Amino acid sequence: SAVISQKPSRDICQRGTSLTIQCQVDSQVTMMFWYRQQPGQSLTLIATANQGSEATYESGFVIDKFPISRPNLTFSTLTVSNMSPEDSSIYLCSAGGGIDTGELFFGEGSRLTVL
Amino acid sequence: AQSVAQPEDQVNVAEGNPLTVKCTYSVSGNPYLFWYVQYPNRGLQFLLKYITGDNLVKGSYGFEAEFNKSQTSFHLKKPSALVSDSALYFCAVRERNTGFQKLVFGTGTRLLVSP
Repeated sequence: SAVISQKPSRDICQRGTSLTIQCQVDSQVTMMFWYRQQPGQSLTLIATANQGSEATYESGFVIDKFPISRPNLTFSTLTVSNMSPEDSSIYLCSAGGGIDTGELFFGEGSRLTVL
Repeated sequence: AQSVAQPEDQVNVAEGNPLTVKCTYSVSGNPYLFWYVQYPNRGLQFLLKYITGDNLVKGSYGFEAEFNKSQTSFHLKKPSALVSDSALYFCAVRERNTGFQKLVFGTGTRLLVSP
């Protein structure tokens, strides 16, 4: 298994500002993902963080709004840009070791509230 | 496209009684299936998975799930519920041959176990 640390764990942000969330995994992993969980909702995949290259975004999510970096196999960042109240969500980093293992492991999440 | 349905928003059960949380899935090929649990203000914790082999899968905290291919279901079960099992449960699926660990999640089922 992998232990995933995220920070900040929570933050209150002003409309129009940007916030970067950091995700650190305690071991090298093949895949890293960023999910969003809006209040009372399920998890929606934002993007796959690719090491050393541009992230792969899901439909409805764009790089200008959610720029992602992954400089190495254990670290990734997600920035939520030009925030609005609709961006208030829990943002979850997840990671997996390989195709065969199947399961993903999740961080504790970063709860953002935008005023 | 792959999808997961959790038909119950909430399941109520008395402590000591058996519990079942339902999940049905839709994929074009053979599935990998997962259950995760989320406690308040926490990230997701992996419970169990079905990859291949026995249809009855055993996981953490005494939970088990039964894969039923003909009914495309993967219901989560526990013989005797504990108050501490009260949490939000998510079923997830990914297609076996995607070569990729992207998971699709259900909408979640809240389990309330009463003393």
